[in-house]
Parts: sequence; structure tokens; C-alpha cells
Amino acid sequence: GENVEQHPSTLSVQEGDSAVIKCTYSDSASNYFPWYKQELGKRPQLIIDIRSNVGEKKDQRIAVTLNKTAKHFSLHITETQPEDSAVYFCAARLGGYQKVTFGTGTKLQVIP
Amino acid sequence: EAQVTQNPRYLITVTGKKLTVTCSQNMNHEYMSWYRQDPGLGLRQIYYSMNVEVTDKGDVPEGYKVSRKEKRNFPLILESPSPNQTSLYFCASSLYREGSGELFFGEGSRLTVL
Repeated sequence: GENVEQHPSTLSVQEGDSAVIKCTYSDSASNYFPWYKQELGKRPQLIIDIRSNVGEKKDQRIAVTLNKTAKHFSLHITETQPEDSAVYFCAARLGGYQKVTFGTGTKLQVIP
Repeated sequence: EAQVTQNPRYLITVTGKKLTVTCSQNMNHEYMSWYRQDPGLGLRQIYYSMNVEVTDKGDVPEGYKVSRKEKRNFPLILESPSPNQTSLYFCASSLYREGSGELFFGEGSRLTVL
């Protein structure tokens, strides 16, 4: 089955700096890669996603890049703010199926 | 308001006492799924359902059962709970879209098995 590895498990950055979280997946048939943000005590919520036929996608201060050949994808947050502090999960979904595999999460702390 | 509703939100029970966590969505989503969240392990899929009467195992199905008799409901059943099922459980739903499909999560159900 699919295996998703996520690094780092914790990340501290100064406010205004950039943060990068990396994930690798094992099954080349995966074709959809979402990122979810989970604030303390709350439910995960989608912040950005990318399909396998796209290399990069941006939404204001966040971006996701995908390298299908290397089977890895990354989340980039620029100009970090304290409200970006949360746990971030990457995920991969096999095409045609709904079995979604999540990474183990990255706890991001933005220091004011 | 579009939402996924789980009940109960908090539950303390004892080993072996059958329990059901309900999940209901009002968005007419075909796909529904259950996850458990444990520290350091992320979100692990227990079961998922592509549509009514169609269910399949995720990565950690042992000790759990599900049913999908109606499109809006997807209950999680623990026939004989054990302490290793103490966890935070999330139900989620989405439209089925090839190559996409945002998951909408419920608020979570924190289960403690003594």
C-alpha cells in the first residue's frame, strides 16, 4: 500500500521567515496530494492541494510543489505569521480509489 | 450550514462495552471515511465508503465495523473496545472527484477505553 513520510516533525521559525515541509510517497499511482492544517483542538482543514499533472500551485503565501519522478511534494509558507502555528499534514490518494494516506504531521511554531 | 456531525464528542467507556460513534453529513457527499489520530502517528484511515452499501478497509480496520445504509450516515462501531482504541476519531466526507476531492472533517470524538 501507499506510504507517506513527512519531515520535519517539528519546525520553529521566526515570524516573517519561510517554512518548508517535505513529504515523500511510495505509490506512483497516487494522483492527488492535499495539505491539511489542524489548529490546536480543531479539525483538519484543507489549505491547498495539487494534482499529479501539475508541478506547482500557489495561493497567496502558500505554495505546493510536486516532483513525480522523485515522488515527493513540499509545502512552502512565506512571510510566516503567528496564526500559521499549527500541525500540518500532507496526504496522498491513489487514483480511482478513495484510500487516503496521511503523513505523520509537522508541528509548526511561528515565533513572534 | 454544510457540515459533518459526530456524536458523541467525548466518551469514556470500559473494555468490552460495545459503542457506536455516529457520523452524519448534509452535503450529499458520496464518499465518507473514518480516521483515528494518535500522537506521532498522524491520521490513519480505518474504513471508507464510496457510496451506499459500499465500504472498504483502510490501514487500521481491526476492531472496528462500519455500515453505510444511507448516503448521509456512516457510523463507526466498536464491538468490544480495548484500551488500544483510546484515540481521537474523525469522520470525513467528500464529493468523489478523480484527481481531487477536499475532505470535510467532523469536530472529532475523543474516546477513552479503560
